[in-house]
Amino acid sequence: SAVISQKPSRDICQRGTSLTIQCQVDSQVTMMFWYRQQPGQSLTLIATANQGSEATYESGFVIDKFPISRPNLTFSTLTVSNMSPEDSSIYLCSVELSPAFFGQGTRLTVV
Amino acid sequence: GENVEQHPSTLSVQEGDSAVIKCTYSDSASNYFPWYKQELGKGPQLIIDIRSNVGEKKDQRIAVTLNKTAKHFSLHITETQPEDSAVYFCAAHRGNQFYFGTGTSLTVIP
Repeated sequence: SAVISQKPSRDICQRGTSLTIQCQVDSQVTMMFWYRQQPGQSLTLIATANQGSEATYESGFVIDKFPISRPNLTFSTLTVSNMSPEDSSIYLCSVELSPAFFGQGTRLTVV
Repeated sequence: GENVEQHPSTLSVQEGDSAVIKCTYSDSASNYFPWYKQELGKGPQLIIDIRSNVGEKKDQRIAVTLNKTAKHFSLHITETQPEDSAVYFCAAHRGNQFYFGTGTSLTVIP
């Protein structure tokens, strides 16, 4: 299993600003995943973050909007850039150890 | 890619009754099927999982069944309790990625 600490747990941000979400894992993992969960909906994969290489983004998500860092095998950040109200969601980081383990999520509200 | 459908989207049961949530998947290459419970304000938590070489798995009040031929799997919760109220997600694993169902909001009425 894995224990994943994600912060902040929630934030209210002004449109046009950026927010960086941090994710810390208690063990070394090759891949970390970032998901978005819009209100009342399922989880949508944003990107896969591998240590030492650029993140791989899913269709509909781009690096300029969601830059990701992966400086080591236990840590990753996701930045939501130039935010608009449509970015209001829960953002979740995850590691796959078959099963997937999730952080507690970051509830973002953009006003 | 994989497509996972989940039904029903909402489910209300009386305390003590059983609840069943069903999922179908499209890609026969999917080989691992976890179920997650998400309570308000929290991330999804694994409650039970099943691999493609197994037809059924049980853990106390929770069971999962898998029909590989029909490409569907189901979550069964017996003797439901109010603390079972949450959103439940199924998922199918293929390659290095999970594909999630759309979620079922379960309400257990005391």
